[in-house]
Parts: sequence; structure tokens; C-alpha cells
Amino acid sequence: SQTIHQWPATLVQPVGSPLSLECTVEGTSNPNLYWYRQAAGRGLQLLFYSVGIGQISSEVPQNLSASRPQDRQFILSSKKLLLSDSGFYLCAWNFGTEAFFGQGTRLTVV
Amino acid sequence: GQNIDQPTEMTATEGAIVQINCTYQTSGFNGLFWYQQHAGEAPTFLSYNVLDGLEEKGRFSSFLSRSKGYSYLLLKELQMKDSASYLCAVRSGTDSWGKLQFGAGTQVVVTP
Repeated sequence: SQTIHQWPATLVQPVGSPLSLECTVEGTSNPNLYWYRQAAGRGLQLLFYSVGIGQISSEVPQNLSASRPQDRQFILSSKKLLLSDSGFYLCAWNFGTEAFFGQGTRLTVV
Repeated sequence: GQNIDQPTEMTATEGAIVQINCTYQTSGFNGLFWYQQHAGEAPTFLSYNVLDGLEEKGRFSSFLSRSKGYSYLLLKELQMKDSASYLCAVRSGTDSWGKLQFGAGTQVVVTP
């Protein structure tokens, strides 16, 4: 069966520090991968999606970047975090008719 | 772009039925998803519709009308554990991979 791993679960980072969140998928090949952000009390905002290694599409201009160095690995990064980057970050994958989420990373920028 | 609209909050009593509506505007529609999200947790998949009609899965049913850009999620025999946010998501794109865009979610509060 397919599983999706995302870490860390929680993170507190100072303003101006770098960020790296990692997501890996098991049990499938060539998945479509997504990074979403959910601000407190808000809906899910699509940040990036990737259909293959090295292929990244950005949905909104922002302080973040994404990379896909391997087929089942998707990384969300920032060189310098802003207070507004705080939120619940979710990695997801879909293939065919279903889509699944990782457990999420709650990022607090202080 | 896409517009996905759903009510912000709904309240119902235990054992009752609640219908959550979702309207959308999109180009290249390729499926509609419903997810359940409890506070502080990741969303979990509930249902998927790509053709018009009703899909039933236990206490949950989802309906789609592509011509109207409309879907609803029906929750029957409500239980306290059904208190959660319900997210409508639309997939667009002519390829099977498609990208998912989410509505803001409907907070369902189940009261005793």
C-alpha cells in the first residue's frame, strides 16, 4: 500500500532562519506531489506541485521554493523565514482518482 | 483560475442529516473530492466524483452536477465524531495527474 511521510511534525523557527521540510512517498512510482499551506482558520492553499523529478510548478509568488531531487521525494525550502510563513504545511500525492495527505508540519515563525 | 465556494459553518444535532454544498468554476474539470479534517490533523479522503450523479459510501454520499458546477456532501445519522471541517476540492487539467484546488472548508458542529 502507498504511504506518505512528512517531517518534522512541529517546528519553531526564528525569523530569518532557513527552512527545509521533507516529504517522501512509498509504494508508488512517478507520483504527482503537492505542497499546501493552511493558515489558522483558513483553507488549503496550493503552493507547489510536481509531476516528475526536477519539475516544479509554483502557484503563488512567495518566500518559499520547492525541489524534487528524487521520484518519491519532495522538499519545501526557504532561505529566510518570515513571520507570515507560519502555518500548517501539508504534503500530498495523487495518482488516478485518489489523493492522500501526509500528517503535516506545524511551523511557527517567532 | 478557480473559484470554489462552500458555507463557512453548519450546525446540526446528533442523528440528523446535513448537506454541505460546494459550487465551483474551473476550466478543464477533472474530478471533485471531499475531505474531512479534524482540528490540528491532516485531511482524510472521503469521496471522489468525476461523473454526474450520486456516490454513496456508508453514512456519506456525494453528488455532482458538472453542468451546474455543483456538488454536495450528505452526512446521515450524524455522530459527535463527525464534528470537523469538510473540504471541497476540484481537480483540473486534461492529464490524469491534475492539480487540486481547495475551498476554505465548512465547519460542521454536531450538538447532542
